[in-house]
Amino acid sequence: SQTIHQWPATLVQPVGSPLSLECTVEGTSNPNLYWYRQAAGRGLQLLFYSVGIGQISSEVPQNLSASRPQDRQFILSSKKLLLSDSGFYLCAWSSGGNYGYTFGSGTRLTVV
Amino acid sequence: DAKTTQPTSMDCAEGRAANLPCNHSTISGNEYVYWYRQIHSQGPQYIIHGLKNNETNEMASLIITEDRKSSTLILPHATLRDTAVYYCIGRRPLSGGGADGLTFGKGTHLIIQP
Repeated sequence: SQTIHQWPATLVQPVGSPLSLECTVEGTSNPNLYWYRQAAGRGLQLLFYSVGIGQISSEVPQNLSASRPQDRQFILSSKKLLLSDSGFYLCAWSSGGNYGYTFGSGTRLTVV
Repeated sequence: DAKTTQPTSMDCAEGRAANLPCNHSTISGNEYVYWYRQIHSQGPQYIIHGLKNNETNEMASLIITEDRKSSTLILPHATLRDTAVYYCIGRRPLSGGGADGLTFGKGTHLIIQP
């Protein structure tokens, strides 16, 4: 069966520090991968998606970047965090077509 | 992508059917309606999706009107664990092709009362 792993679960980082969040998927190949962010009291915002290794598309301009170094690995990064980067970050995968998304358990990031 | 409108919150008694409405009057002919739910501090969970016909699975039923301008998610026997935010989403293609994006609104906060 397919599983998605996301870590860490919680993270507190100072303003200006770098960020690296990792997401891995098991049990499937060539998944579509997604990063979402949920700010406090708000809905989920799609940040990045990837249809293959090295292929990254950004939905909104921001202080973050994403990379996909391996088929089932998706990384969210920042060189210098801002206070506004605080939020709940969720990774998801899908097989494409009409299949739904499977989300990870999320990382709650607090920038102080 | 279709804009969806849902009530901000709803209450339902435990053991009763919970009926969550969603309006999507601008949905296009090839857009599916997806439902997800998010329990506090967890990732969203897929519930069900449909295009034209009513759908049922082990979690819920989805009733789509004939004109496709609205739908209703039905949880037949609500339990306290069904308390969550429920999102009705129109599925749209992302730019660049090859992947489909889901646009989440604010959803309906369903509270199951004991």
